[in-house]
Amino acid sequence: AQSVTQLGSHVSVSEGALVLLRCNYSSSVPPYLFWYVQYPNQGLQLLLKYTTGATLVKGINGFEAEFKKSETSFHLTKPSAHMSDAAEYFCAVSERPGANSKLTFGKGITLSVRP
Amino acid sequence: ETGVTQTPRHLVMGMTNKKSLKCEQHLGHNAMYWYKQSAKKPLELMFVYNFKEQTENNSVPSRFSPECPNSSHLFLHLHTLQPEDSALYLCASSQELAGGTNTGELFFGEGSRLTVL
Repeated sequence: AQSVTQLGSHVSVSEGALVLLRCNYSSSVPPYLFWYVQYPNQGLQLLLKYTTGATLVKGINGFEAEFKKSETSFHLTKPSAHMSDAAEYFCAVSERPGANSKLTFGKGITLSVRP
Repeated sequence: ETGVTQTPRHLVMGMTNKKSLKCEQHLGHNAMYWYKQSAKKPLELMFVYNFKEQTENNSVPSRFSPECPNSSHLFLHLHTLQPEDSALYLCASSQELAGGTNTGELFFGEGSRLTVL
């Protein structure tokens, strides 16, 4: 069975600082990996995804993530945090191609950005 | 209207009430989903409909009853709920392609915040 671990529930950074949100997964087959963002009072929006090919994936709003098979990780980074990045971030894994119905989400991490 | 629209955005109901949540997608997708989002817990997949046929029911109590009359509309009928059912209910859609492939992206609505008294 697949699973996702997002350690901690809250990360706080200063504006302009590096953002690093950690995600580790377990999967019995090569996974599809996703990061979603949820702004207050909104639904989830796809930030980026890894399916096959290049392991460094670039997404919207300057975010990127790197798939590291040996570490079973898919950490999300952004070089310089902006106030508008404050939101909740969810990592998700899918084992079956095209199987959105089998997406397993992590608990989410709340990102706060200090002025 | 664009994307995925959910109504109502907020709902307060007693345990003996019957109410329904509505979801409409304007993206031409053929798969729709209900998720439950509770504080400090992972998103829980409740139901999946592909081409109007229910393909997933993740052990959801019968007090939740989904209905998918067409590929654009999805309902969640609520009956004799419990206080622990209070949560944000998210609807999502996706485009399932031939061979079971798709872009891997779910499009979410803004959710319906349900409070059961």
